[in-house]
Amino acid sequence: DADVTQTPRNRITKTGKRIMLECSQTKGHDRMYWYRQDPGLGLRLIYYSFDVKDINKGEISDGYSVSRQAQAKFSLSLESAIPNQTALYFCATSDATASTDTQYFGPGTRLTVL
Amino acid sequence: AQSVTQLGSHVSVSEGALVLLRCNYSSSVPPYLFWYVQYPNQGLQLLLKYTTGATLVKGINGFEAEFKKSETSFHLTKPSAHMSDAAEYFCAVSKAQAGTALIFGKGTTLSVSS
Repeated sequence: DADVTQTPRNRITKTGKRIMLECSQTKGHDRMYWYRQDPGLGLRLIYYSFDVKDINKGEISDGYSVSRQAQAKFSLSLESAIPNQTALYFCATSDATASTDTQYFGPGTRLTVL
Repeated sequence: AQSVTQLGSHVSVSEGALVLLRCNYSSSVPPYLFWYVQYPNQGLQLLLKYTTGATLVKGINGFEAEFKKSETSFHLTKPSAHMSDAAEYFCAVSKAQAGTALIFGKGTTLSVSS
């Protein structure tokens, strides 16, 4: 079984709809991240969480919100989706006790906003 | 502030040829440096990382990278390309301390022809 899972894997929605993307991990890591990937732009950080009570905005948090329901779960919400939020979204985790910040990525969620 | 520049959004090589993907970074503190690979329709997989110590780092699938502080570079190489190396490659940097997120370059797509 995959260590980092994301649901759904693909989603098509309409402008103005509320969307939630979910991430779960079995790695036991404290830290979790949400990135979006756009062609030619690489990955950009949306939000990150270093534990259940610590949530931080990343480079491009406008239009997004997150919830850290438990150590293993980190959800990303688009309150009112817009077409320029069409992208590939990745969740990642890392281990706070490790000496380096190696991040482990989920398989991604492809979101299309019409 | 940290940043990463990947020179060349597309690199094409013949099977058996040398692979060289360029990455330059900017960091005001000692960096941790990473290379990730993304195969089509998949998430990101760690290829290799530099934290401290030996500046030549060996990773999976025959790839290696050399940290050159004087040149602020961390170029990725492989002596002989294989068709299965065709993918998108991302260089990333984080601060050399626990608790920071990754900053990614925009990616380089590697094509391998027979």
